[in-house]
Amino acid sequence: VQLVESGGGVVQPGKSLRLSCVASGFTFSSSAMHWVRQAPGKGLEWVAVISFGGSHEFYADSVKGRFTISRDNSNNTLYLQLGSLRVDDTAVYYCAKVDSPYSGASYFDYWGQGTLVTVSS
Amino acid sequence: ETVMTQSPATLSVSPGDRATLSCRARQSVNSNLAWYQQQPGQAPRLLIYDGSTRATDIPARFSGSGSGTEFTLTISSLQSEDSAIYYCQQYNKWPGTFGQGTKVEIK
Repeated sequence: VQLVESGGGVVQPGKSLRLSCVASGFTFSSSAMHWVRQAPGKGLEWVAVISFGGSHEFYADSVKGRFTISRDNSNNTLYLQLGSLRVDDTAVYYCAKVDSPYSGASYFDYWGQGTLVTVSS
Repeated sequence: ETVMTQSPATLSVSPGDRATLSCRARQSVNSNLAWYQQQPGQAPRLLIYDGSTRATDIPARFSGSGSGTEFTLTISSLQSEDSAIYYCQQYNKWPGTFGQGTKVEIK
């Protein structure tokens, strides 16, 4: 199993950014997928989940209405569109796989290496 | 959401000694509890799920126990490569929530 994130960088407050996560080594279309973030020197915060087919998506209150999770099963790719970015969105963003097709709470059996998003003026 | 509290914040252990980490849930999470290891500069790695089941390729010196609101991660004989931050996570109730982490240092 391999998960490779990209798309991070430095962005100004209020701007947008799209993160990608390319998956391999498992049947991507059979797994729900999550994004989890970690602010510098801080703990882990769950951000969003999308079900195996993309029909269900849920968000943490801290990002609801600003972030959008999506997936392209034909290209084994997970996305996170970050909008109306704030300084406190600065974090390493990890994509994470679960051993379930559904969007309920689960443990994360594989993680990507993360991509750093820095929101700063 | 279910609040998870880990203790201690930092644990200093000599090589070969036992390390015991605690995780407490504010309400019962049954056995829906996972442990992760995060080494410096790396992504978290799943160690234990369902309270006590070791994940793939995890050494036998790592063991998990507990159910309900009290959980323990034990490293039976600490190795230098075990220096890391360890997080617990409950997935009994959506959204899954993490503890704040315990940093394990080698004495």
